[in-house]
Amino acid sequence: QVQLQESGPGLVKPSETLSLTCTVSGGSISSYYWSWIRQPAGKGLEWIGRIYTSGSTNYNPSLKSRVTMSVDTSKNQFSLKLSSVTAADTAVYYCARVVRFGELGDAFDIWGQGTMVTVSS
Amino acid sequence: DIQMTQSPSSVSASVGDRVTITCRASQGISSWLAWYQQKPGKAPKLLIYAASSLQSGVPSRFSGSGSGTDFTLTISSLQPEDFATYYCQQANSFLMYTFGQGTKLEIK
Repeated sequence: QVQLQESGPGLVKPSETLSLTCTVSGGSISSYYWSWIRQPAGKGLEWIGRIYTSGSTNYNPSLKSRVTMSVDTSKNQFSLKLSSVTAADTAVYYCARVVRFGELGDAFDIWGQGTMVTVSS
Repeated sequence: DIQMTQSPSSVSASVGDRVTITCRASQGISSWLAWYQQKPGKAPKLLIYAASSLQSGVPSRFSGSGSGTDFTLTISSLQPEDFATYYCQQANSFLMYTFGQGTKLEIK
């Protein structure tokens, strides 16, 4: 079955760029939307953005100026870059697959285990 | 942006109880709503999509209902493994996805 695995540095300095990669295994990355979602400790879930395998993206307006997502179909991976990070960006970052139910809407049906990223000097 | 508000923020219940969690959207979202269960230290798990459709493999004691602005998640007979935090999510593909703040279901 399809599995997702996040990878990247667990510690990022303030003002630098957070970079994470999600590797898709057990299936193809093609023909799906893929998302990044984050969760600060003890808080709720925040959608960061999504990318289609064509490279088309949609971002949360509150983060749009700092977010870049990309996809590498040859490696079955997609990536997140978040620039100019502050302590407020400290969170568990999840990657997830978006499943589309046509006119019935979307949902995140497969999630990675999450990776903790701390922003600190 | 569409805001999603869940109530209650936390609820205590016993094994075997029937529990209902409510999610309200700040504007109508048809049936574009999903529900997730999250246990400590784990990723969320999809329970319900399209407001009332049960995700494959999810026990039938979970059910969802509603449309427009008001939605509910019901657990008909609580099991020990159901104690977790539950989130609703606005699921319209043409809008920004947004989550409710979560409802923590605790053992009484």
